[in-house]
Amino acid sequence: DAGVTQSPTHLIKTRGQHVTLRCSPISGHKSVSWYQQVLGQGPQFIFQYYEKEERGRGNFPDRFSARQFPNYSSELNVNALLLGDSALYLCASSETSRGLLRDGYTFGSGTRLTVV
Amino acid sequence: DQQVKQNSPSLSVQEGRISILNCDYTNSMFDYFLWYKKYPAEGPTFLISISSIKDKNEDGRFTVFLNKSAKHLSLHIVPSQPGDSAVYFCAASARRSQGNLIFGKGTKLSVKP
Repeated sequence: DAGVTQSPTHLIKTRGQHVTLRCSPISGHKSVSWYQQVLGQGPQFIFQYYEKEERGRGNFPDRFSARQFPNYSSELNVNALLLGDSALYLCASSETSRGLLRDGYTFGSGTRLTVV
Repeated sequence: DQQVKQNSPSLSVQEGRISILNCDYTNSMFDYFLWYKKYPAEGPTFLISISSIKDKNEDGRFTVFLNKSAKHLSLHIVPSQPGDSAVYFCAASARRSQGNLIFGKGTKLSVKP
């Protein structure tokens, strides 16, 4: 049974470029959340999508955007990349908008983005 | 301003002994708390959660204690095993914030044989 899958696993981009990260949730999960984890910190919430609608947004600039598709997969887009955007980007899925928190959210292994 | 704090960056424990990881929070609106374990090059793995209406939840070797008056929770691992060596994150959620989990910075646990 496939878990949360993210692609690509690693990515190197140049400052000013654009990047698209992809996430496929667990089958049957309708909610996808995106988190950014920089070295030495815990994951920080970026977006949540549920049933293709944005349900939450963290404190990130408008350069960050996301969307969810009819099959519940999701893309995270980052424009005008800065060196500080270098991080591990994590996707998490759950059945409902708030998840069954007693079971937690299921995270993918992440995409390691390096901006040079 | 950090709403979830894990003040110990690291913890070293002997195999077979108890590991106690601590977490403090400041937001009284948090009503659900979770612990995650993370190995290098992997995503966080859910361990155990607790609702604010409870003060204790057990799952095998893992027990989470919640002290709402002190805004403090702890994760106990008994007995500790070398495979438990990982970074442990405390996370909190407020009902009004939907699926937004607020994470602490993590505590790196090393269990020595």
